[in-house]
Amino acid sequence: KQEVTQIPAALSVPEGENLVLNCSFTDSAIYNLQWFRQDPGKGLTSLLLIQSSQREQTSGRLNASLDKSSGRSTLYIAASQPGDSATYLCAVGQAGTALIFGKGTTLSVSS
Amino acid sequence: ETGVTQSPTHLIKTRGQQVTLRCSSQSGHNTVSWYQQALGQGPQFIFQYYREEENGRGNFPPRFSGLQFPNYSSELNVNALELDDSALYLCASSIGQGAGGSQYFGPGTRLTVL
Repeated sequence: KQEVTQIPAALSVPEGENLVLNCSFTDSAIYNLQWFRQDPGKGLTSLLLIQSSQREQTSGRLNASLDKSSGRSTLYIAASQPGDSATYLCAVGQAGTALIFGKGTTLSVSS
Repeated sequence: ETGVTQSPTHLIKTRGQQVTLRCSSQSGHNTVSWYQQALGQGPQFIFQYYREEENGRGNFPPRFSGLQFPNYSSELNVNALELDDSALYLCASSIGQGAGGSQYFGPGTRLTVL
């Protein structure tokens, strides 16, 4: 059974810092890995999708990497801003199901 | 292009009642997946509909059921509501079955069971 773990559960940083969020998964037989952002009480916004054959994806200040063999992904956020404060969720896509999510990392960026 | 919409936004029910939640998929998407997100947890997969057929189900009891219509919109029905059913219910639309493509989420329906 696939399990997705995100570390840390919460993170507080001052504005301008670069930071890394971690995601690990137990079964490497995945189609893809997706990073989402969720604001309190709201739906999910897709940030980056990495297919299983890819190593990384970039969008603006965000860079996500995938190491399928070790069951790990990282989301790198450069020059963090208060507007980046949210919960970040990673999810893996597998055969026969939709997405399997971690519990998320709640990020707080102070000005 | 219209994104994924869900209705209602909030809902309060009492234990034992039944509820229907609705989702309209993004234009051009033929797959809808439903998730339950309890407070402080990640979303849990309930089931997926592809071209009006159920195409995968998570670890949820049969009192959670669904439908997909010819226009690819979808309903989630929950019978005999329990207190633990209180959660944010999210739907996501995508193209193609399974988890091969990017999923686009709606804003969710907040269900409270008293």
